[in-house]
Amino acid sequence: EAQVTQNPRYLITVTGKKLTVTCSQNMNHEYMSWYRQDPGLGLRQIYYSMNVEATDKGDVPEGYKVSRKEKRNFPLILESPSPNQTSLYFCASSAGTGSSYEQYFGPGTRLTVT
Amino acid sequence: QKEVEQDPGPLSVPEGAIVSLNCTYSNSAFQYFMWYRQYSRKGPELLMYTYSSGNKEDGRFTAQVDKSSKYISLFIRDSQPSDSATYLCAVTSGYNKLIFGAGTRLAVHP
Repeated sequence: EAQVTQNPRYLITVTGKKLTVTCSQNMNHEYMSWYRQDPGLGLRQIYYSMNVEATDKGDVPEGYKVSRKEKRNFPLILESPSPNQTSLYFCASSAGTGSSYEQYFGPGTRLTVT
Repeated sequence: QKEVEQDPGPLSVPEGAIVSLNCTYSNSAFQYFMWYRQYSRKGPELLMYTYSSGNKEDGRFTAQVDKSSKYISLFIRDSQPSDSATYLCAVTSGYNKLIFGAGTRLAVHP
């Protein structure tokens, strides 16, 4: 089954404790992206990757890091989480530039930073 | 000013009603206009997309784009309880960056 998986689905952590949210897709997609979803603000792009070893900032990259060492994986790293990073996070993938309108989303990771 | 504006609702309608969901956008460079549907505790999924202006129909769903007024709409005919979800409009110029509206929560009650 074609899908985007994220782990963990739920995470409660404390300020400053480094964490990683994993994302994996099995569709051989070139393009992957991370979003955060907050009430009233919709989905905002954090980082995106056009292919292996090619990443760039989205609209809200501060406090986040990403890497793309393999085509299927795109982890999101919070090196020193703060309470304002409490949010619902989604990973997404698409086939490439010509298909950017169709992004496949993971199930989401709800992060709480206390 | 946000690049995409969408009324967050919530919108509550009886089963069988016609639903109209709308967004406005500010940048005339956008070429693709999408509607994503998000069920509770799930990720968004693409419902429909339109390239440039015009209408597109898929079953009970019709998407409309008016580029002259920068207005995009989604109509749902004969709405069903299973249509209850949050509907997100999105736009892109085609270069991988999607910009989403805040989403409108819709509830269809029997």
